[in-house]
Amino acid sequence: AQSVTQLGSHVSVSEGALVLLRCNYSSSVPPYLFWYVQYPNQGLQLLLKYTSAATLVKGINGFEAEFNKSETSFHLTKPSAHMSDAAEYFCALNNAGNMLTFGGGTRLMVKP
Amino acid sequence: DTEVTQTPKHLVMGMTNKKSLKCEQHMGHRAMYWYKQKAKKPPELMFVYSYEKLSINESVPSRFSPECPNSSLLNLHLHALQPEDSALYLCASSQDPRGGETQYFGPGTRLLVL
Repeated sequence: AQSVTQLGSHVSVSEGALVLLRCNYSSSVPPYLFWYVQYPNQGLQLLLKYTSAATLVKGINGFEAEFNKSETSFHLTKPSAHMSDAAEYFCALNNAGNMLTFGGGTRLMVKP
Repeated sequence: DTEVTQTPKHLVMGMTNKKSLKCEQHMGHRAMYWYKQKAKKPPELMFVYSYEKLSINESVPSRFSPECPNSSLLNLHLHALQPEDSALYLCASSQDPRGGETQYFGPGTRLLVL
């Protein structure tokens, strides 16, 4: 069985501060891992994807994530938060059948 | 271009109505997906089409009926829905159904059942 856990359903940061969204996974096979962002009343947009080519993955909008096999983590970071980063973020894992298993989501709030 | 389009954007229907949601992609993708998303929750997979054939049905009630007329188009036919079916319905597509392929999502149809 595979699962994804996102620690913290809500994260609040000040504008310009570091963003850290936590994701831990459980998988019996090497995982493909994704981070998606969802703005209000919109669909999901791919931020980045881990495919085992490199442990540090760079994505759009200044986000990056580091795959840590020993800690089974794939945390998302951004050095400096912008107001426009306020959204819901989903970590997801998929398997050989390409079915996505989502974490519960983290709502990021950015304070001016 | 990684665009998946969905129509309509919003839909209000009564419990006795019949309506359809439409999803389209022109990326040559051969796998398409329907998800249901309730407020403050992650998307839940409903159906997967691989090469225009239904490959996965996640025990969805028969009042939801998917259809894939061709490789670019995916429909979801709705009939006799319940108020608890009100949600955001998302369509996604991927190059093929193999593991690791990125799923690209449409903007969704927000459905309200009265």
